[in-house]
Amino acid sequence: GAVVSQHPSWVICKSGTSVKIECRSLDFQATTMFWYRQFPKQSLMLMATSNEGSKATYEQGVEKDKFLINHASLTLSTLTVTSAHPEDSSFYICSAHEVSGANVLTFGAGSRLTVL
Amino acid sequence: AQSVTQLDSQVPVFEEAPVELRCNYSSSVSVYLFWYVQYPNQGLQLLLKYLSGSTLVKGINGFEAEFNKSQTSFHLRKPSVHISDTAEYFCAVSESRNRDDKIIFGKGTRLHILP
Repeated sequence: GAVVSQHPSWVICKSGTSVKIECRSLDFQATTMFWYRQFPKQSLMLMATSNEGSKATYEQGVEKDKFLINHASLTLSTLTVTSAHPEDSSFYICSAHEVSGANVLTFGAGSRLTVL
Repeated sequence: AQSVTQLDSQVPVFEEAPVELRCNYSSSVSVYLFWYVQYPNQGLQLLLKYLSGSTLVKGINGFEAEFNKSQTSFHLRKPSVHISDTAEYFCAVSESRNRDDKIIFGKGTRLHILP
């Protein structure tokens, strides 16, 4: 089946630095990918829809300049957390649609960000 | 806009006992419903989905769910749980089969299997 790979799976950084998280679709192309954020013991919050070759669509309340999304190819989307602060510490999960065509998401394993 | 309510944040159940995790949704149009499972420190895995057809949907790991349009529910059931079923379960809804439309998740239900 379809596989979505995320890297890194765990990252620790200092406050004020920027962190890039990669999301790759393996063996299939994804014109659209979704980025979610999950706080401990809470649900997934959709942050943005990443569109290949165009600007990402951000959900209300999500800072575009804080969370930069780039979808430069059909198999790669990146999320960059700029000038990270401790409150940005979270579990970030990306997803893409299976090749079956239905609206069914395949999720990456997630990336845990800890900002010191 | 669509929304999903999972009434129970945690559900404890003894091993080999049956379990039901509740999910209700609201939407002004036809919906497509999903259940995902998340094991600790991992991404989400699709358990089952309802897109059309039979309202009783069977998924992986012995789980099934029934779509009830009149009650706007999509409860998840398993007749006999195992310790390995300990995880977080998320109900999700989409108003479209379109690949580019977003899916909205409920807050999740943590299933605790007691020995």
